[in-house]
Amino acid sequence: GAVVSQHPSRVICKSGTSVKIECRSLDFQATTMFWYRQFPKQSLMLMATSNEGSKATYEQGVEKDKFLINHASLTLSTLTVTSAHPEDSSFYICSASPVGPGNEQFFGPGTRLTVL
Amino acid sequence: AQKVTQAQTEISVVEKEDVTLDCVYETRDTTYYLFWYKQPPSGELVFLIRRNSFDEQNEISGRYSWNFQKSTSSFNFTITASQVVDSAVYFCALSGQGGSEKLVFGKGTKLTVNP
Repeated sequence: GAVVSQHPSRVICKSGTSVKIECRSLDFQATTMFWYRQFPKQSLMLMATSNEGSKATYEQGVEKDKFLINHASLTLSTLTVTSAHPEDSSFYICSASPVGPGNEQFFGPGTRLTVL
Repeated sequence: AQKVTQAQTEISVVEKEDVTLDCVYETRDTTYYLFWYKQPPSGELVFLIRRNSFDEQNEISGRYSWNFQKSTSSFNFTITASQVVDSAVYFCALSGQGGSEKLVFGKGTKLTVNP
């Protein structure tokens, strides 16, 4: 089956630093990748839709200047949390959809970010 | 706007009991997809099923079964003879046409199966 990886799986950083999270589709090409955020004991909320070669589409209330998304290739999307603060601590999950209509999304294992 | 409601926040059962997790959705799309995911404590989402809006046939996979009823906009999930390993948070989700669009998740139901 299709595999999506995320790196790192867990990161702890100091307040004010920037953190980059990578999402890779390992055995398929994905024109679209999605970034979700999940706070403790809550549901997954879509942050942005990332399309290869174009600017990401952000959901309402998500700061595009704080959460930088780059989808430079058909197998890699990155999310950079800039100037992270404790309230950004969360579980970040990406998903990727293979090229072609009607395909399902495949989720990465998630990245747990803790900002001290 | 799309919306998914999982009214049951937490359910606790004893092993071998059957349990049904409810999911009610709202959408204006005529073509849409419904999903169920399992999220164990590790956090990784485990895909369980995808169903498109034109396929109302119920599905059974081992101890899992799903009941899709468009008339009531529901897509309920039943685990038969529950096991401790079934303990997890279960999410119902909805996407628009194509199935590869963004997912709208319900708030999840935490299932605890006690030995």
